[in-house]
Amino acid sequence: GAGVSQSPSNKVTEKGKDVELRCDPISGHTALYWYRQRLGQGLEFLIYFQGNSAPDKSGLPSDRFSAERTGESVSTLTIQRTQQEDSAVYLCASSFRKRHYVWRGGNEQFFGPGTRLTVL
Amino acid sequence: SQQGEEDPQALSIQEGENATMNCSYKTSINNLQWYRQNSGRGLVHLILIRSNEREKHSGRLRVTLDTSKKSSSLLITASRAADTASYFCATDDGETSGSRLTFGEGTQLTVNP
Repeated sequence: GAGVSQSPSNKVTEKGKDVELRCDPISGHTALYWYRQRLGQGLEFLIYFQGNSAPDKSGLPSDRFSAERTGESVSTLTIQRTQQEDSAVYLCASSFRKRHYVWRGGNEQFFGPGTRLTVL
Repeated sequence: SQQGEEDPQALSIQEGENATMNCSYKTSINNLQWYRQNSGRGLVHLILIRSNEREKHSGRLRVTLDTSKKSSSLLITASRAADTASYFCATDDGETSGSRLTFGEGTQLTVNP
């Protein structure tokens, strides 16, 4: 079946502009995650959705960052008034989070190809 | 903050040799996962090892987990040029809501033909 998709694949914007990044998770996956990866570094967690609600937004770096999810499917990550330090690859992942997740040992996450954001 | 730390940061080997990458972490975990990333884009899940497991195999991959030392290793046997990529370990602590993954900085593996 189809994997996680993200759009656009590349986005170049000017400092101060707003951008929207889109993620289409695997159908039926209840959990959705956004991560950010700066050049040559590991992934930083941004936000997690279970269904349409976001119980964990602790990774969002500032109030310029927001995200929403609708229909327990598509999610958009919005960055307002972009800054040069926002330049990174933004990765989305989805997972099927079952009941009794912890004692079942957890699930893998399936990643999309990412959106490379460049802020000039 | 990054919990996992991979070692070495970069590894260059000849085709056919084995590659070993190590990962250390700081807090207790529910599971530890290894991912591969080509060209700085999407990650591919390789293997998941649960906290009550010590060793796991998948094809040419062998993962070990030592929870007493809070460390894991990934062994790729009989490496191929196509194995060239960045490899990340990620921990799931099972405590935080949604069990987000905490990634290390990665090991860049280069397999020379």
